[in-house]
Amino acid sequence: GQQVMQIPQYQHVQEGEDFTTYCNSSTTLSNIQWYKQRPGGHPVFLIQLVKSGEVKKQKRLTFQFGEAKKNSSLHITATQTTDVGTYFCAGLAAGNKLTFGGGTRVLVKP
Amino acid sequence: DAGITQSPRHKVTETGTPVTLRCHQTENHRYMYWYRQDPGHGLRLIHYSYGVKDTDKGEVSDGYSVSRSKTEDFLLTLESATSSQTSVYFCAISDDHGTMNTEAFFGQGTRLTVV
Repeated sequence: GQQVMQIPQYQHVQEGEDFTTYCNSSTTLSNIQWYKQRPGGHPVFLIQLVKSGEVKKQKRLTFQFGEAKKNSSLHITATQTTDVGTYFCAGLAAGNKLTFGGGTRVLVKP
Repeated sequence: DAGITQSPRHKVTETGTPVTLRCHQTENHRYMYWYRQDPGHGLRLIHYSYGVKDTDKGEVSDGYSVSRSKTEDFLLTLESATSSQTSVYFCAISDDHGTMNTEAFFGQGTRLTVV
């Protein structure tokens, strides 16, 4: 079945630095979505990428969808303490089956 | 937040007992999902539904069953709870894929402890 892998599992970042988290699917995806979960909370939708090679930005967050529609990345610049949380990618496949990666837990050092 | 409610929010149950978790939505969304979240494993899909009485298995469906008799309700049942099913369970809903508006909205989660 479809598998979605995400690396790294943990990311310790100094406040003000940049980092990237990566997502890879074992199958071609209809789209890829990114979610953020704050500690103790539930996942909240950030963005959806649909087209091959698509790049979208949300303030300091840049999302990219690979050409083969099997991988994606999230790049955060100038990390802030408000960026703390776990970031998940999720791949949408046939039948609207939504499979999540393992997540990248981000810890920010002030 | 989207109209999605999980009940109960917390439950402690004994090994071998049946448990049913309920997910209720007021958004009339077609798709509903049950995930479990455990440290180091992210969100793993248990079962999902693509319509009334239409369900399919996810990656960790063993030991779980689901039912969807109405658009608004998706029930997750643990027939005989085991300690390995101690977890946080999230329900999610999403709209029809044809609209390309496929973002999933999550409930607040149910923390289940099997002792």
